[in-house]
Amino acid sequence: EAQVTQNPRYLITVTGKKLTVTCSQNMNHEYMSWYRQDPGLGLRQIYYSMNVEVTDKGDVPEGYKVSRKEKRNFPLILESPSPNQTSLYFCASSILAVTTDTQYFGPGTRLTVL
Amino acid sequence: AQSVSQHNHHVILSEAASLELGCNYSYGGTVNLFWYVQYPGQHLQLLLKYFSGDPLVKGIKGFEAEFIKSKFSFNLRKPSVQWSDTAEYFCAVNADNDMRFGAGTRLTVKP
Repeated sequence: EAQVTQNPRYLITVTGKKLTVTCSQNMNHEYMSWYRQDPGLGLRQIYYSMNVEVTDKGDVPEGYKVSRKEKRNFPLILESPSPNQTSLYFCASSILAVTTDTQYFGPGTRLTVL
Repeated sequence: AQSVSQHNHHVILSEAASLELGCNYSYGGTVNLFWYVQYPGQHLQLLLKYFSGDPLVKGIKGFEAEFIKSKFSFNLRKPSVQWSDTAEYFCAVNADNDMRFGAGTRLTVKP
């Protein structure tokens, strides 16, 4: 089944403890992206990747890192999480990095930083 | 930087009522426009999109949207909503690979 998977789905952690949220897609998509969703703010893009080894900042990259060592995976790393990073995170992918492409979203990861 | 505005935060309708959700964007160049829907407990999924041609776009589940360039708008419509349309709806605009989402509109349809 074509899909975008994220792990974990739920995570409660403490300030400063490094964590990684994994994202994987099995559709051979070139473009991948991370968003955070906050009430009243919609989805805001954190980082995106046009292809392997090519990443770029979105709207709200501070406090986050990403890597794209292989096409299918695009992990989101929080080196030192803070409470303002408590949010719902979505990974998405699309076939190509073109503006008309539909994005396919993962199920979301709900992160709480205490 | 471009922005996307969705005018209604929460809309409550009865079944069979007509729906129109507003979306405006601020960007003067060529844009590609999307409506995504998030049903309770599910992923976001595409409802419809516009990138060229007929400004009236039809999507899944009887939804349609009209692109009015002069008004910078891409409003979503459905003539008769069902209880199963209860969800959150997001307008999105992609211009030069800068993808922006609106804050979302929560639609509640009462049976």
